[in-house]
Amino acid sequence: SAVISQKPSRDICQRGTSLTIQCQVDSQVTMMFWYRQQPGQSLTLIATANQGSEATYESGFVIDKFPISRPNLTFSTLTVSNMSPEDSSIYLCSVEDRIDTQYFGPGTRLTVL
Amino acid sequence: DAKTTQPPSMDCAEGRAANLPCNHSTISGNEYVYWYRQIHSQGPQYIIHGLKNNETNEMASLIITEDRKSSTLILPHATLRDTAVYYCIVLSNFGNEKLTFGTGTRLTIIP
Repeated sequence: SAVISQKPSRDICQRGTSLTIQCQVDSQVTMMFWYRQQPGQSLTLIATANQGSEATYESGFVIDKFPISRPNLTFSTLTVSNMSPEDSSIYLCSVEDRIDTQYFGPGTRLTVL
Repeated sequence: DAKTTQPPSMDCAEGRAANLPCNHSTISGNEYVYWYRQIHSQGPQYIIHGLKNNETNEMASLIITEDRKSSTLILPHATLRDTAVYYCIVLSNFGNEKLTFGTGTRLTIIP
């Protein structure tokens, strides 16, 4: 299975600021995804990060709030912009391998004060 | 619409087999059954998946009923490290369909 790392692992941020989360995978993958897990909740898909084109966002998520980059087949970033306390969550990236199984990174725990 | 139904919580004694049920009565012919688990504050971990045949790997066994309307994940010898939330997910044509996580089953392994 793919090995996925995320940076930072956790952060505490002030409201109104932005944080960029990095996701690195040890092999080239076509599909990369970003999820959010709010406290006590299940995972919700934010967007699919497409290499060479704009990300595809799910209902309720917009590019201005969660801009995503995918410069190559092993790396992606998610930015949480103009943060508010409601953005406090765990943010997870995942990748899909060639046999259609999705693997997740360790997550980034974000607290917004 | 929830595609799967799981009990919210279960307990299992350490060393015993943990059997986690999942109902997916509206599953269609091309939909797979996937199981993931999430240990506290970690990213979800893939366990196993199947279409209609029973599957086994180093982590678990997946038993799918003949009509495919339900399945059971079996952890043969549960340890304390198996305490986690277990998610049963059905989806087809994986590249075009998204993983949708429900509320899962919180499994607690009792020493």
